[in-house]
Amino acid sequence: DQQVKQNSPSLSVQEGRISILNCDYTNSMFDYFLWYKKYPAEGPTFLISISSIKDKNEDGRFTVFLNKSAKHLSLHIVPSQPGDSAVYFCAASEDNYGQNFVFGPGTRLSVLP
Amino acid sequence: GAGVSQTPSNKVTEKGKYVELRCDPISGHTALYWYRQSLGQGPEFLIYFQGTGAADDSGLPNDRFFAVRPEGSVSTLKIQRTERGDSAVYLCASSPSGGYSYNEQFFGPGTRLTVL
Repeated sequence: DQQVKQNSPSLSVQEGRISILNCDYTNSMFDYFLWYKKYPAEGPTFLISISSIKDKNEDGRFTVFLNKSAKHLSLHIVPSQPGDSAVYFCAASEDNYGQNFVFGPGTRLSVLP
Repeated sequence: GAGVSQTPSNKVTEKGKYVELRCDPISGHTALYWYRQSLGQGPEFLIYFQGTGAADDSGLPNDRFFAVRPEGSVSTLKIQRTERGDSAVYLCASSPSGGYSYNEQFFGPGTRLTVL
């Protein structure tokens, strides 16, 4: 039973437009969430995080929104760039101690020039 | 500076054989993690080291899997009697600390293990 779900395996967006990647979770004890980006043949790289005391965190073109009541978070990328094309993983943990994160299956984002 | 490195990058073995996968974390990082990523899935937590000790090995699927970090730096993931279902990319990550404050994990490129 997947505790972290990313129901869109892939997403295509035109360059310059907004990309919205969604993530849903089932464990109400999850308190800390991260997004990772992964290019082929490389390990995932950290993108942005949010803790449950916030509902929004912004870093440049990347914004993560958290709706705890709906157990849903989303990553917004605006404007999208071709270099953003990658697989994006949502991950969740019951604490922010940086251990034992549960990852979703990922969404492959393609930004078309 | 150097990132997390993993060797070999690819490993092909036969069912029933023993394999060792190596991880060199970022220098000074005390926390080290092993994950397994199967095709079409996200990374799945296996084990977490804080220093030399395994602080959480709850993700190891069975007793064929074992990991060590004897000097608190390099770690080796050991798989005995490999099975075809063990085929996956094995990812290692490290972070400056893991016990009391958030630090993002820095991942290596992974070792792709194929069991024939």
